Amino acid sequence: DQQVKQNSPSLSVQEGRISILNCDYTNSMFDYFLWYKKYPAEGPTFLISISSIKDKNEDGRFTVFLNKSAKHLSLHIVPSQPGDSAVYFCAARGGSTLGRLYFGRGTQLTVWP
Amino acid sequence: DADVTQTPRNRITKTGKRIMLECSQTKGHDRMYWYRQDPGLGLRLIYYSFDVKDINKGEISDGYSVSRQAQAKFSLSLESAIPNQTALYFCATSATSEADTQYFGPGTRLTVL
Repeated sequence: DQQVKQNSPSLSVQEGRISILNCDYTNSMFDYFLWYKKYPAEGPTFLISISSIKDKNEDGRFTVFLNKSAKHLSLHIVPSQPGDSAVYFCAARGGSTLGRLYFGRGTQLTVWP
Repeated sequence: DADVTQTPRNRITKTGKRIMLECSQTKGHDRMYWYRQDPGLGLRLIYYSFDVKDINKGEISDGYSVSRQAQAKFSLSLESAIPNQTALYFCATSATSEADTQYFGPGTRLTVL
C-alpha cells in the first residue's frame, strides 16, 4: 500500500513560470518530509526538506509547503529553468525509525524554453 | 571521485544465475540502503543496515540477500535471478546524525533474461 503518493506522473511548464509538484501521504506518524531530484543515469539527490512542526521551508528558488491536516505537501519552483527538468521524488520519514524513508512514485518535470 | 560507487553499472544475466551488486562509500556513514526503481513505481526499499552488525528487511526483500562486509561496503545478492528483478538498483548512505538525508550512488541497471 502506497503511503506516499504523487498522483501526477508528469508536469510540463514553460521556463520562467512556477512549477508546483504535489505529494500526499496517508501515515499520520510521518514527521519529516523530503524532496529528491533525479536526472537520467544518475542517483537521486537531496533537494529540500521540511519538519512537521513547520508549514513552509524555503531554499532559493525552491519552497516546500506542508499542510498536515490535509496530509499534503507541495514543492514550488520559481522561476522554473530548463535545468530543473528531472524526476522529483517526495519522501517521508517512517515514524520513529530514523533514516527509513518512504518514497512516492515520482513526477517527471519538463521545463521548456 | 564519487562518494558512493556501485559496481557494475550495467549487467545482463540469465534466469537462475546468481548475481552480486556491490556498493562502496567514502563518506564515513554508518547507514546504508538498497533500493530498486521500476518505471512508475518509484523507489522501494529492499534492505537497510544501520551499522556493520545490523541488517533489516525493507518492503521487498524476498528474493534478495545482503552482506555488510565493512562500514564502507554493502552488497546485494540475487541468489537465483528472475526476469521480474529487472530494474534499476540504487545504493544509498546516510549519517546517523543526519539520518534522513540519504546520498545515492549512480545506480546499477540489471536485466534478467
